[in-house]
Amino acid sequence: AQSVTQLGSHVSVSEGALVLLRCNYSSSVPPYLFWYVQYPNQGLQLLLKYTSAATLVKGINGFEAEFKKSETSFHLTKPSAHMSDAAEYFCAVSEGSGTASKLTFGTGTRLQVTL
Amino acid sequence: EAGVAQSPRYKIIEKRQSVAFWCNPISGHATLYWYQQILGQGPKLLIQFQNNGVVDDSQLPKDRFSAERLKGVDSTLKIQPAKLEDSAVYLCASSLDRYEKLFFGSGTQLSVL
Repeated sequence: AQSVTQLGSHVSVSEGALVLLRCNYSSSVPPYLFWYVQYPNQGLQLLLKYTSAATLVKGINGFEAEFKKSETSFHLTKPSAHMSDAAEYFCAVSEGSGTASKLTFGTGTRLQVTL
Repeated sequence: EAGVAQSPRYKIIEKRQSVAFWCNPISGHATLYWYQQILGQGPKLLIQFQNNGVVDDSQLPKDRFSAERLKGVDSTLKIQPAKLEDSAVYLCASSLDRYEKLFFGSGTQLSVL
């Protein structure tokens, strides 16, 4: 069965500092991996996705993530945090585009950005 | 383009009562999903429709939850009777096809007292 583990339910960074949100996955087949962001009182929005092409994936708002098979990781990074990045971030996995294409989400990491 | 619309935004009911949520997906999106997001947890898929048909309802508690998607457009999710543990945000999402990017609505926050 597929699953993702997000390390750290809360992360706090200073404005301008590096953002690093951790995600490790478990999948019996080559996975598709996603990062979604949820702003307060809004629905989830796709930041980026990995579908077995380039291992470094660039997304919206300056975020990127690197797929590392040897570490079963798909960590989300942004070089310089902005106040508007404060939100909850969810990592998700799907076992490819076949019949088992259901998305399984992690428990989320709340990002706080301070001045 | 208009996003995924959900109503109501908030609902408070007592246990053993019934409740229904409504979702209007983005026009032309064939796939519709209902997720349950309990506080402190990630969203969990309850049911997935492809047009009118159910693709996956393996995690839907069928003794109390039901969902339908009439004419392959709008969908309703019903809980009857509600339990305390059903308190959660119910998210609707849609996509052009089952393998495409999901667009989420703002959700319905349900409190069962």
